[in-house]
Amino acid sequence: GAVVSQHPSWVICKSGTSVKIECRSLDFQATTMFWYRQFPKQSLMLMATSNEGSKATYEQGVEKDKFLINHASLTLSTLTVTSAHPEDSSFYICSARDLRTFDEQYFGPGTRLTVT
Amino acid sequence: KNEVEQSPQNLTAQEGEFITINCSYSVGISALHWLQQHPGGGIVSLFMLSSGKKKHGRLIATINIQEKHSSLHITASHPRDSAVYICAVCGGANSKLTFGKGITLSVRP
Repeated sequence: GAVVSQHPSWVICKSGTSVKIECRSLDFQATTMFWYRQFPKQSLMLMATSNEGSKATYEQGVEKDKFLINHASLTLSTLTVTSAHPEDSSFYICSARDLRTFDEQYFGPGTRLTVT
Repeated sequence: KNEVEQSPQNLTAQEGEFITINCSYSVGISALHWLQQHPGGGIVSLFMLSSGKKKHGRLIATINIQEKHSSLHITASHPRDSAVYICAVCGGANSKLTFGKGITLSVRP
């Protein structure tokens, strides 16, 4: 089956630094990738939709200058949390939509970010 | 009212029991996803359904488009099935998913 990887799986950083999270589709091409955020005991919240070769579409309330998304190829999207603060600590999950089957989305394992 | 409702909210079962988790939605959809999330872990896609029924191992998922309802069944449940089960619906062309709140399943040995 289709596999989506995320790197790193967990990261601890100091307040004020930037962190980059990678999302890769390993055995399929994805024109669209989605970035989600999940707080403890809550469901996933869509942050942005990332389209290959174009600017990401951010959901209302998500700061585009805070959460930089780059989707440079059909297999890689990156989320950079800039000037991270403790309130950015969360579980970040990506999913990738298979180019061949528009409704099929495959989820990455997630990245746990802790900002101290 | 949430567009995707899951029931029951929490579920505890004894190992070996047959388990059913329900999902109702109020919008038109092109597909419905069942996802599994273990504590502290990532999301695993279990099924994507647009009609009928799918089976994978001990898991069975059904969907009734007319009634806007889907069920996830687990046969011969095992403690390793303990996880949060999330129903998510795909609204169509833009493929955004709307998520239910998830159901926490605990299977006791």
